[in-house]
Amino acid sequence: NAGVMQNPRHLVRRRGQEARLRCSPMKGHSHVYWYRQLPEEGLKFMVYLQKENIIDESGMPKERFSAEFPKEGPSILRIQQVVRGDSAAYFCASSPLDRATNWETQYFGPGTRLLVL
Amino acid sequence: GQQVMQIPQYQHVQEGEDFTTYCNSSTTLSNIQWYKQRPGGHPVFLIQLVKSGEVKKQKRLTFQFGEAKKNSSLHITATQTTDVGTYFCAVPGYSSASKIIFGSGTRLSIRP
Repeated sequence: NAGVMQNPRHLVRRRGQEARLRCSPMKGHSHVYWYRQLPEEGLKFMVYLQKENIIDESGMPKERFSAEFPKEGPSILRIQQVVRGDSAAYFCASSPLDRATNWETQYFGPGTRLLVL
Repeated sequence: GQQVMQIPQYQHVQEGEDFTTYCNSSTTLSNIQWYKQRPGGHPVFLIQLVKSGEVKKQKRLTFQFGEAKKNSSLHITATQTTDVGTYFCAVPGYSSASKIIFGSGTRLSIRP
C-alpha cells in the first residue's frame, strides 16, 4: 500500500513566480491536511480538505495561497507570486475517518521543500 | 487563544540515558497524539491517547496522558542513536476539532 505521495520533493522558484505542490493521499483516504514547517520550527496547520470541499482553511494566509482537492487527481497547494518568506517545507497528511475516536490519525508525505530565490 | 507548550526545546543525552518530553495544553483535551520526525524527514505517527490517566508503552517508549487531560509526556528508556529526532505532540483545535495544533517539538540528540 503506497503511502502519501508528494511532488515535487524540492522546488526552486524566483520571487514572483507561482509554486504548485501536489499531494496524493493514501489509498482509501479522503481527508487531506496541509502544513508548513519553517526551519527549526514546528508544523503549522494551513488547511483541511475533503474531496471537492474545503473544511477548514483558518491557517491559510488570506492572499496568494489556495488549495483544492478535486474529485479526481491529487490535492494541490498553490502559492502565487512567491516571496522569500514562503521558503519552507510543506507537508501533506492524509487520514481515514476514525469513527471510534472521532479524530483522525494522520499519515504524512515526505514533504516539498520550497526555496524562493 | 489555545496554547500547546512542549518542553524542553532541546535535549542532548548520552546514549543509554533516559529522555522525557512534556506537552502542556491551556485547555482540556479530548485526546492527544505523538509524532516523531527524523532529521530531514517527515512526521511519523507514534500513538494516540484518549483516556484520562492513560499509559501506553511501545518497547522503550512510555506515553502518559494526565488525569486532568491537559498534559502528556513521552519517556524513552535507555536511548539509542535511532531515537534521534524531534518529538511533537498534537492536539485537536479548541475552536475546530478538524484543525490540528502541533506543539513546538523537542529535539533529541544523542552522544554515542
